[in-house]
Amino acid sequence: DGGITQSPKYLFRKEGQNVTLSCEQNLNHDAMYWYRQDPGQGLRLIYYSQIVNDFQKGDIAEGYSVSREKKESFPLTVTSAQKNPTAFYLCASRQTGQYEQYFGPGTRLTVT
Amino acid sequence: ELKVEQNPLFLSMQEEKNYTIYCNYSTTSDRLYWYRQDPGKSLESLFVLLSNGAVKQEGRLMASLDTKARLSTLHITAAVHDLSATYFCAVDPTTSGTYKYIFGTGTRLKVLA
Repeated sequence: DGGITQSPKYLFRKEGQNVTLSCEQNLNHDAMYWYRQDPGQGLRLIYYSQIVNDFQKGDIAEGYSVSREKKESFPLTVTSAQKNPTAFYLCASRQTGQYEQYFGPGTRLTVT
Repeated sequence: ELKVEQNPLFLSMQEEKNYTIYCNYSTTSDRLYWYRQDPGKSLESLFVLLSNGAVKQEGRLMASLDTKARLSTLHITAAVHDLSATYFCAVDPTTSGTYKYIFGTGTRLKVLA
């Protein structure tokens, strides 16, 4: 089955710790995106990558970092510099030449 | 600053009634997307609208796009309980070249039996 997987589904961390969220896709899509969703709100773009070894900041990149070493993988690290990291994180991918983004199941991160 | 506004934010409606959700945006765009989200779940794609005047229908939902008015509508016909969810529109600014979506804040729909 082709699709996007995110792991883990739920993640709990103590304040001050860095944490990495996984996003893998086997759709052979070139572009990948990370979004953050807070309760009762829409999604906001954190980082995106249109090709391997290249990525750009989105609207709320502060306190986050990413890498894109492989086409199928786009991990997101939430650093201790992120002031309010507790949120629902969604990864998406898109095929070059197509407009639609496809979303993974999400990871709910709770930092206490 | 690009803004995407949805209204209403909350909608409680009776079964079998009709209603429309509106999505206004503030920049040039020929591409607009509608998604559904169930509580605690990811986004499910409903409609992809890629040109002015585009209209798409699936079951009890119909979406349209007016790029001149910078407005999209999601019309619900004869609502049923299963349509209860949060609906998001997302705009893809034509000039960005990066296909970055800007999401509306969502419309939480509750269909009462």
